[in-house]
Amino acid sequence: KAGVTQTPRYLIKTRGQQVTLSCSPISGHRSVSWYQQTPGQGLQFLFEYFSETQRNKGNFPGRFSGRQFSNSRSEMNVSTLELGDSALYLCASSYGGAAQETQYFGPGTRLLVL
Amino acid sequence: AQRVTQPEKLLSVFKGAPVELKCNYSYSGSPELFWYVQYSRQRLQLLLRHISRESIKGFTADLNKGETSFHLKKPFAQEEDSAMYYCALRHDYGQNFVFGPGTRLSVLP
Repeated sequence: KAGVTQTPRYLIKTRGQQVTLSCSPISGHRSVSWYQQTPGQGLQFLFEYFSETQRNKGNFPGRFSGRQFSNSRSEMNVSTLELGDSALYLCASSYGGAAQETQYFGPGTRLLVL
Repeated sequence: AQRVTQPEKLLSVFKGAPVELKCNYSYSGSPELFWYVQYSRQRLQLLLRHISRESIKGFTADLNKGETSFHLKKPFAQEEDSAMYYCALRHDYGQNFVFGPGTRLSVLP
């Protein structure tokens, strides 16, 4: 099976712009989670989508949003970008999101905000 | 609040020596703990989870609820174990994880 893919891999934006990142889960997986990774804060959970519904949400401002499509592909959007949004954004997928399932991570999208 | 701490940013050991990567957590409910590993230029991947009580690549981890710890251990470190290790706690339901800051393990020849 193909692994989790994320596009684009690298992105440069300026403050105030918005950005959309895409994640394609492993075929058959319905749960997609998003994480932000920074040197200062480490890995932080953004949100999880399951069957097109947001099931969990981390402690991020409303500028961070996401959605999931019927084919389980997910997008996350960040509006009004700030310098502090520069990070590696990881997505992960699992079949149903249960504890005993393995979560598979993508390679990440590295976002630089200037 | 849920929190995972890993006191060592960097741990260096010699090949063949025992290794222990420390992880402590704070969680009000019944915790589910995991160890994730990221080898150089590879993706983050699951190493082991406490509910499976498994040994992967010679690593084991025991959940100690009294000490709120989930330390990762291996009796004889190998050079290929050099990587970044993250302890993680899953709370609520679904795939909502709290990760520790990570420990970089360096196994010296």
